[in-house]
Formats: sequence, C-alpha cells, structure tokens
Amino acid sequence: AQTVTQSQPEMSVQEAETVTLSCTYDTSESDYYLFWYKQPPSRQMILVIRQEAYKQQNATENRFSVNFQKAAKSFSLKISDSQLGDAAMYFCAYRDITQGGSEKLVFGKGTKLTVNP
Amino acid sequence: NAGVTQTPKFQVLKTGQSMTLQCAQDMNHNSMYWYRQDPGMGLRLIYYSASEGTTDKGEVPNGYNVSRLNKREFSLRLESAAPSQTSVYFCASSEQAFSNQPQHFGDGTRLSIL
Repeated sequence: AQTVTQSQPEMSVQEAETVTLSCTYDTSESDYYLFWYKQPPSRQMILVIRQEAYKQQNATENRFSVNFQKAAKSFSLKISDSQLGDAAMYFCAYRDITQGGSEKLVFGKGTKLTVNP
Repeated sequence: NAGVTQTPKFQVLKTGQSMTLQCAQDMNHNSMYWYRQDPGMGLRLIYYSASEGTTDKGEVPNGYNVSRLNKREFSLRLESAAPSQTSVYFCASSEQAFSNQPQHFGDGTRLSIL
C-alpha cells in the first residue's frame, strides 16, 4: 500500500525567510500525482501545488515550489519570502491513477508551520 | 463561488443515533469523496464516487454508507453512531477520477459522538 511520510511534525520560519517542508512516499507505481495542501485554522483544505510524476521539471506556483526527486521518492515544498498568512498545517498527498484500481488520495500526517513576525 | 458545500458544520450525537451528512458541489465535477480527519493524522478516505451512479469503498468504510443522489450531491450516513466516529468529515470533488485534477474540499463537518 502507498504511504506518505512527513517527518517534521512542526516547523517555524521568520517572516520573509525561506522554509522547506519534507515529504517522502512509498509506491511501486511509475505514474502518479503528488500534491501539497494547506489547512489554515479555518480548517479548509486548499491546494498549494501539484506535480505529475512523469514530468521532470519541478512545479512552481508563485512563492511555492517543489523539489521532486522521483528515484528517492521525495517531494519537498519550499516556501520563499514567508508571510504570516502561510501559517497553517501542510499536508503532502499522493494520488494513484491506476485505471481500474482504487481511486485514493493518500495523505501524510501533516507539518504545522508557524511564521514568526 | 460556493464550490463544495457541506451541511451541517457542527453536530453532536449520542451513541446509537443515526445521521446523514450532506454534500453538494456546483462545479459540474464527476467525482466526489468523503474523508475523515482525526487529530494528528491526515485525511483518510471513507468512500468515493468516481462518477454518478457508482460508489466504492475507501480506506476506512466500516460504519458508514453513502449515496450519490445525482451528479451534484453525495451524502454520508452513519446508521448507528459510535464514539470512534468522532471526527472532522470532509467532502471533496474532482473533475475526474484517476487524473491529475485536484480535489476541491468543503469546509468540513465537526461531529462529536457522546
């Protein structure tokens, strides 16, 4: 079964600095998708960024970028120029795309990010 | 811009009571999902519906039933609530199952079983 591991339960960063959140996953599939979701105290799950496994180029969305290392099964999230509004729980998620298989989005346990002014 | 709407937002039940959580999406998405989120854990899939007329079990389906009423609506029912079902429940939808399309989440329902 696929698993997603976030080894940092909590992280903190100073406003305007850069922080990297770690994520590793385990799968025997060659094609899949990876996501980072943000969950602020309001509880809503918000998509931050996504990466297709077949793409070698790392995804970027404004201040958010990923370092996708397929061979190492690693998918870290880098937040540049951190803002107070970035404070939230961040979840890494893996999505199996096997047709005919079970659709599932597997989540890690999350990393709580604190941004200090 | 409603997106995914869940009702109710909060609910307290007694053990053995039944209830239905409602979910509706207005994005014309084909796939819908129910997750639960427990403290210190990520979301776990309970059931999903890849398309109208189909439903499938996820990781933790025991104690739950679902109904895909139409393309817009996907309900989750607890027939006989147990304290272990105390959790925050999220409904989500996606344009297509088995794709790179992201899942869009509702605001969640906080359910307490006494």
